[in-house]
Amino acid sequence: DAGVTQSPTHLIKTRGQQVTLRCSPKSGHDTVSWYQQALGQGPQFIFQYYEEEERQRGNFPDRFSGHQFPNYSSELNVNALLLGDSALYLCASSRAGYSNQPQHFGDGTRLSIL
Amino acid sequence: AQKVTQAQTEISVVEKEDVTLDCVYETRDTTYYLFWYKQPPSGELVFLIRRNSFDEQNEISGRYSWNFQKSTSSFNFTITASQVVDSAVYFCALSEGVRAAGNKLTFGGGTRVLVKP
Repeated sequence: DAGVTQSPTHLIKTRGQQVTLRCSPKSGHDTVSWYQQALGQGPQFIFQYYEEEERQRGNFPDRFSGHQFPNYSSELNVNALLLGDSALYLCASSRAGYSNQPQHFGDGTRLSIL
Repeated sequence: AQKVTQAQTEISVVEKEDVTLDCVYETRDTTYYLFWYKQPPSGELVFLIRRNSFDEQNEISGRYSWNFQKSTSSFNFTITASQVVDSAVYFCALSEGVRAAGNKLTFGGGTRVLVKP
């Protein structure tokens, strides 16, 4: 039973560039959430996708956008990269209608901005 | 707005000692869920335990136990007889209410646990 998979594992970009991160949810899960974790801090919620629509959004600018595909996989896009976007980006999956169940996380994509 | 505070930034113990991690939360919802996650150096967040707001019974699961007190908005977590493999960053997290698509998690700042042999 495959868990949450994310790609790539590491990425180096320069300021002003654009980046796309990818996530495949755990088998049986239909909801994907994205989190940003800066060094030494707890993860911060970016947004959540369900039924191919953004359902909830945290306090992030619209440079951060996403997409969910019919197979439930998801992409996180960040435009006009800033130095402050350097972080570990975590994808989590869950099953709709089961709010009391834990979200399952992938290993993350470590993004470095030069 | 929901908030989670982990006052301890780092705890260092010797193997076999017990470790207790503190977590205080804020929420206006009457239905909410509390979680503890472990993050080893590899980066993946590993789910450990969960508690619903309407169930204050404290439990033990193997070497893990937790103390949930709604009166003080605390959800403390204890590792009994710590082992070197327990070294990691531990996060307390809160999700509010009930949504069809599930809830976002609000995390505390984390507590780094170092278990020395």
